[in-house]
Amino acid sequence: DAGVIQSPRHEVTEMGQEVTLRCKPISGHDYLFWYRQTMMRGLELLIYFNNNVPIDDSGMPEDRFSAKMPNASFSTLKIQPSEPRDSAVYFCASSQFRPGNSPLHFGNGTRLTVT
Amino acid sequence: GQQVMQIPQYQHVQEGEDFTTYCNSSTTLSNIQWYKQRPGGHPVFLIQLVKSGEVKKQKRLTFQFGEAKKNSSLHITATQTTDVGTYFCAGNNDMRFGAGTRLTVKP
Repeated sequence: DAGVIQSPRHEVTEMGQEVTLRCKPISGHDYLFWYRQTMMRGLELLIYFNNNVPIDDSGMPEDRFSAKMPNASFSTLKIQPSEPRDSAVYFCASSQFRPGNSPLHFGNGTRLTVT
Repeated sequence: GQQVMQIPQYQHVQEGEDFTTYCNSSTTLSNIQWYKQRPGGHPVFLIQLVKSGEVKKQKRLTFQFGEAKKNSSLHITATQTTDVGTYFCAGNNDMRFGAGTRLTVKP
């Protein structure tokens, strides 16, 4: 099992550019989560999916952020346009069963720097 | 969403000392999960507690769920430098984490 795979590991971009983060969950996991981690706000849940359907996107900061899960093995988190305050580590995680009933498996994260 | 408060925010100990972090909720939790994140790493699942008063051990780590299921603790006996990291709890089913407790260990 390769675990949750995120790409890229690092992304440096200029303000105003579009950023796309990618995630491949563990095969057979029905839930996928996107988190953002900063020193100021800690680990924030942005959105999560169940069977490719967004269930709770209340953590998505604003309309500049969007997430999709076109199939069970792929998800994207897009920021357009990016701003310096979006600089953070973005984690994707997956779980086999519903939240709380099985552990989350995190990817290695994408460190985003917006200049 | 439900709020889980974690204390302390930071803890610095001498190697060999004990360490405890606490998670507190204003509402009853159905379960609680604990994770550890090493510096520069990603959170890794440690354990889940479900039953009132439950106590589970993993080597030097002891996890406890309160009788009222509103609080939980993680206790590390005789810390080692490998224990360095941030410890998070997440309650119930929404997978929103507490702020975490950052542990540093002085050799």
